[in-house]
Amino acid sequence: DTEVTQTPKHLVMGMTNKKSLKCEQHMGHRAMYWYKQKAKKPPELMFVYSYEKLSINESVPSRFSPECPNSSLLNLHLHALQPEDSALYLCASSPDALAGGRSYNEQFFGPGTRLTVL
Amino acid sequence: AQSVTQLDSHVSVSEGTPVLLRCNYSSSYSPSLFWYVQHPNKGLQLLLKYTSAATLVKGINGFEAEFKKSETSFHLTKPSAHMSDAAEYFCVVSDRAGGSQGNLIFGKGTKLSVKP
Repeated sequence: DTEVTQTPKHLVMGMTNKKSLKCEQHMGHRAMYWYKQKAKKPPELMFVYSYEKLSINESVPSRFSPECPNSSLLNLHLHALQPEDSALYLCASSPDALAGGRSYNEQFFGPGTRLTVL
Repeated sequence: AQSVTQLDSHVSVSEGTPVLLRCNYSSSYSPSLFWYVQHPNKGLQLLLKYTSAATLVKGINGFEAEFKKSETSFHLTKPSAHMSDAAEYFCVVSDRAGGSQGNLIFGKGTKLSVKP
């Protein structure tokens, strides 16, 4: 299995809802990432997990809460989001992780979850 | 500090003609360089990567790129465009050493349009 999968593909939620995004990879990769991508912009890094531990949080608001239950799975819990949080949320993984969670090797991206906050 | 500049925000070519997407980078250390493609409402797919081996890198779907250290460039080319190449392309740099080692820096993207 050489891909990163994400569910759901689309999500519409109100500002008072709680929802979760899920990401899975079975390539044995040790680093996993969440990115946010607005229309016509490059992805922006949100979180990095290295060996199942949160190693980087790019000053993301607490209404986004990541979780890494095991080495293959990464979740992003959403609560009390704002309309400006509407975006494509991308998960990625890479084979290794340097100290501090980053890797200079390529990242493998999932197809993303298109989130709309009403 | 690292940075990436994609010199064209939009490139339009006719099907069957060559493609050139330009990327310049700056890096304090030996960089890794990548080109990713993103089709509408899809994730990013790695086209090719340079990690200090051969300077001419061949990727998927007939794309290739040449690392030119003297020009700090990593331009993406394809001899003959296909309609399915229409997408957004991102040039990405990552330092292989130093304080920002492993930090991926994305260019702003180049939208490639292919006319029949």
